[in-house]
Amino acid sequence: SQQGEEDPQALSIQEGENATMNCSYKTSINNLQWYRQNSGRGLVHLILIRSNEREKHSGRLRVTLDTSKKSSSLLITASRAADTASYFCATDAWGGGNKLTFGTGTQLKVEL
Amino acid sequence: DAGVIQSPRHEVTEMGQEVTLRCKPISGHDYLFWYRQTMMRGLELLIYFNNNVPIDDSGMPEDRFSAKMPNASFSTLKIQPSEPRDSAVYFCASTKGELWTGELFFGEGSRLTVL
Repeated sequence: SQQGEEDPQALSIQEGENATMNCSYKTSINNLQWYRQNSGRGLVHLILIRSNEREKHSGRLRVTLDTSKKSSSLLITASRAADTASYFCATDAWGGGNKLTFGTGTQLKVEL
Repeated sequence: DAGVIQSPRHEVTEMGQEVTLRCKPISGHDYLFWYRQTMMRGLELLIYFNNNVPIDDSGMPEDRFSAKMPNASFSTLKIQPSEPRDSAVYFCASTKGELWTGELFFGEGSRLTVL
């Protein structure tokens, strides 16, 4: 399986609800990043959390990192229809060279 | 800045033909990455460059694939000969400095269909 697997694979919620996506990874990391991809577009960076950080906020986004469990979660609060996209976690493995390995992604659909 | 620019956005070709995908990274970025995205395998790193030098090409699937970066503002990914299983979206991304401090900037991708 891949370094970085998101759970769930797909999530459908109503506008205004919170969306939580989880990511698990296998090796020690320098940092973990979350990206968003709208259909037919490139990936866009959302937030980066370093291995010595436990929580980070950016606007309606909240990311947590638990290095002991090798897992991270992305919370989007008060979701909007425009948040509909695929969300990927990506890890920069410690000693793995300067490269990001992406997870399998969560497809989020926010309905009006 | 215009962002990472990729061309063509869409390419349809027949098996056996040569395909060349192009990328212009963001000015000043010293790292360039080529990724491939498919439904089955997700996003796979093919190769990355630092200051125009290939650093890690372990993700290049086979000898049919080659990548070059002749200067800081241009890179190509070539497939020769192409096969139907090469059908995918190919992304180029760039960044300045080490990834433990910063993010990747992606282009819009080149969707390749090999018939």
